[in-house]
Amino acid sequence: AQRVTQPEKLLSVFKGAPVELKCNYSYSGSPELFWYVQYSRQRLQLLLRHISRESIKGFTADLNKGETSFHLKKPFAQEEDSAMYYCALRATNTGNQFYFGTGTSLTVIP
Amino acid sequence: KAGVTQTPRYLIKTRGQQVTLSCSPISGHRSVSWYQQTPGQGLQFLFEYFSETQRNKGNFPGRFSGRQFSNSRSEMNVSTLELGDSALYLCASSLAGTNTEAFFGQGTRLTVV
Repeated sequence: AQRVTQPEKLLSVFKGAPVELKCNYSYSGSPELFWYVQYSRQRLQLLLRHISRESIKGFTADLNKGETSFHLKKPFAQEEDSAMYYCALRATNTGNQFYFGTGTSLTVIP
Repeated sequence: KAGVTQTPRYLIKTRGQQVTLSCSPISGHRSVSWYQQTPGQGLQFLFEYFSETQRNKGNFPGRFSGRQFSNSRSEMNVSTLELGDSALYLCASSLAGTNTEAFFGQGTRLTVV
């Protein structure tokens, strides 16, 4: 069965420190993985997707199929990074359904 | 290009009532999905509609239903409301195809009293 696990509900780091938000998944097919972010009082929005292999706002995420992980990383956290982060897997074999993790609330301490 | 629009933004209902939520997807998007967001459970998938057909359904009771119209607009209905149905209901639209992004609406905050 498809599942996305984000083990940390809350994560606090100091400004300028590295940050890593963990995401593990289980999926029998070829996964499509995404990170979504929800800033305070804003709608959920896409941060990045694994297929693009891009860096957005300094964040990167590498798909590790061996460890079934898609951790989100940023070398130097900024205060504006404080938000709720959701890892999501798109189940391509069943239409357009996204499976979301329970989210990690990131707080960057000034 | 207008984003995903959900109406109403806020709703207060009493137990036992029913409610209908509306979602207008981004123009050209034929896939519309609904999610329930609660602090403890995160985002839980309700169902997905594509070209007026329900393509996927999550693990929710039959009180939760939906439909999609020919213009891709979608409605979600919850009957016999329970206190536990209080949540933020999010609608997302996307194009068909691989690695397509889901665009989310602002949500409808439903409070059942």
